[in-house]
This record gives sequence, structure tokens and C-alpha cells, in this order.
Amino acid sequence: QKEVEQNSGPLSVPEGAIASLNCTYSDRGSQSFFWYRQYSGKSPELIMFIYSNGDKEDGRFTAQLNKASQYVSLLIRDSQPSDSATYLCAVGENTNAGKSTFGDGTTLTVKP
Amino acid sequence: KAGVTQTPRYLIKTRGQQVTLSCSPISGHRSVSWYQQTPGQGLQFLFEYFSETQRNKGNFPGRFSGRQFSNSRSEMNVSTLELGDSALYLCASSLASGTGVSYGYTFGSGTRLTVV
Repeated sequence: QKEVEQNSGPLSVPEGAIASLNCTYSDRGSQSFFWYRQYSGKSPELIMFIYSNGDKEDGRFTAQLNKASQYVSLLIRDSQPSDSATYLCAVGENTNAGKSTFGDGTTLTVKP
Repeated sequence: KAGVTQTPRYLIKTRGQQVTLSCSPISGHRSVSWYQQTPGQGLQFLFEYFSETQRNKGNFPGRFSGRQFSNSRSEMNVSTLELGDSALYLCASSLASGTGVSYGYTFGSGTRLTVV
């Protein structure tokens, strides 16, 4: 079993819809959770981080964390074609702040 | 402010050779991590340096090594290159402190290594 698993893609949504990306993790003691966006041919870019249970909103993005279920998600509202990218979920190690474990990513396509 | 700078951007090497990649983190960031990214394996953690000390190490053979200098710049070295080492090598800088909560990475543009 992988340490960080993301819902298999690719995911395709129409422009203006809500895109939902999901991630589960195995280390119950994890404290830091991140979402990165990676455009084709580019390096990953941090778009959201969340540390506490509940929701965190930043513009069109909402990260949701449920530590009891070991589940973290990213919602993208009013999806735009420019949101088309691979989204990587990453979990910071419990005792090693400098190490994150990444999921394999979910590729999102937003169709105009 | 300046981002994370990785050099070179592209490298082509022959099997058996060695290679050194360089990374300059964001000013003030003391943690530098290195990742290997391939289509089949995704992002795999190589190691992390904090204040010139290797704090974390991933599951890579000893051919992969690194170091960090007093100005936080970091290098990674791969000796006796194999075809399977062809990948994008990403450097990530972070404000990560001692333990506990981390703050996420800022990645460099990466070094694309091709071993022939």
C-alpha cells in the first residue's frame, strides 16, 4: 500500500464546474498536508497547505482535512481551462519537517 | 525575491560517468530537499539538508549523495550513472525548522538528466 494515494485520473470537468481531488495517507501522525499544481513541463508549485481538521479556503481553492479518516481533498470552484494540470498531494512526515511524501498525482482537464 | 535556482537545466551523460547538480535555495531558507521525478515512479525523495547536515535520506543507493554549504547552497552527486537514472531532478527549498510542522516547498525548475 502506498503511503499517499490519490484518486486515479484523469479527471475531466467542464469550465465553470467544481473539480474534486482526493487523497488518503497512511501515517496517522502526519501533521502537514499540501497540494501542488504541476503544469506539463514545469516544476510543482505549492497552491494550498492545511494543518488542522476542517476547511481552508483561498480564492477558488478549498482544502479539506479529516485526520480521523486520514483524508485530504482539494476543491476547485469555477474551474478554468488554466486549471488544467496535474495536482499532487503531499504529506509532511510526522517527525521530519523537511521531508514530504507525494502521491502520484491526478491530471485534471478543464474543457471550455 | 529570487526563487530556487538549479543548474544546469539539461545534461546528457554516458553510463558510468558521474554528475553534479547544483541548487541555490531562496534566501533565508535553510532546508534543501532533492527529489527525483520520473513518469513511472512520480516524485521520489532523495535527501534533505538542513544547516549543512543531512537530516533525511530516501531509499536510493549510495551512488546518490549530496551536501550543503554554509550559504545553504546544495549539490547532489550521482556516481557510476545508470540508464535508469535518467530523470528530472528537482531541488526544493523550505523554511522547515527542527521537527513537526513543515511549510511546504518552493521547487526549482529542475535538471533534466539523460543517461545514454
